[in-house]
Amino acid sequence: AQSVAQPEDQVNVAEGNPLTVKCTYSVSGNPYLFWYVQYPNRGLQFLLKYITGDNLVKGSYGFEAEFNKSQTSFHLKKPSALVSDSALYFCAVRDSGAGSYQLTFGKGTKLSVIP
Amino acid sequence: DTAVSQTPKYLVTQMGNDKSIKCEQNLGHDTMYWYKQDSKKFLKIMFSYNNKELIINETVPNRFSPKSPDKAHLNLHINSLELGDSAVYFCASSQDLTRGNEQFFGPGTRLTVL
Repeated sequence: AQSVAQPEDQVNVAEGNPLTVKCTYSVSGNPYLFWYVQYPNRGLQFLLKYITGDNLVKGSYGFEAEFNKSQTSFHLKKPSALVSDSALYFCAVRDSGAGSYQLTFGKGTKLSVIP
Repeated sequence: DTAVSQTPKYLVTQMGNDKSIKCEQNLGHDTMYWYKQDSKKFLKIMFSYNNKELIINETVPNRFSPKSPDKAHLNLHINSLELGDSAVYFCASSQDLTRGNEQFFGPGTRLTVL
């Protein structure tokens, strides 16, 4: 079975400071990892993904994430937070194993960037 | 152009009624999904169709029935609505079943059952 944990319900950061939103995963095979963002009353928007290759993945709006296999983590980062980054962030995982079509989401982390 | 669209955006109805939510994608994708997001924002897959064939059918009451008339459409029909069905329902699509493909989400349909 595959699972995702986002240990923080909420992350507060001052505008201009670096931000990190944490994610750990569990799969039986190799992971395909995704980050999505949800703004209020909107659908989810894809930010970035890790499939294979370089452990540092760059995505939309200046976000990046680092895949760490030994720690089974895929933390989302941004060097300088903007107030407009305030939203709900979801980490998701899909197992590379045969028959694993389902994408499993974490419970989400609310990011608040304080002016 | 809207990539994944859903109608209606809001749906308020009485317990026991039957309702449908429609979803269309203009991305040329083969695979479509329905998700339910509860009041705590937890997102759970309900169904997935690939080329009009049911691929994922999670533990969902059989009052929920998806219908895919063609690859671009995936509708969700709900019979005998219950209070617990109140949630936001999201439609999504992806290029195909390749596991590395990201999903594109619609704006959601907020269902309120009174």
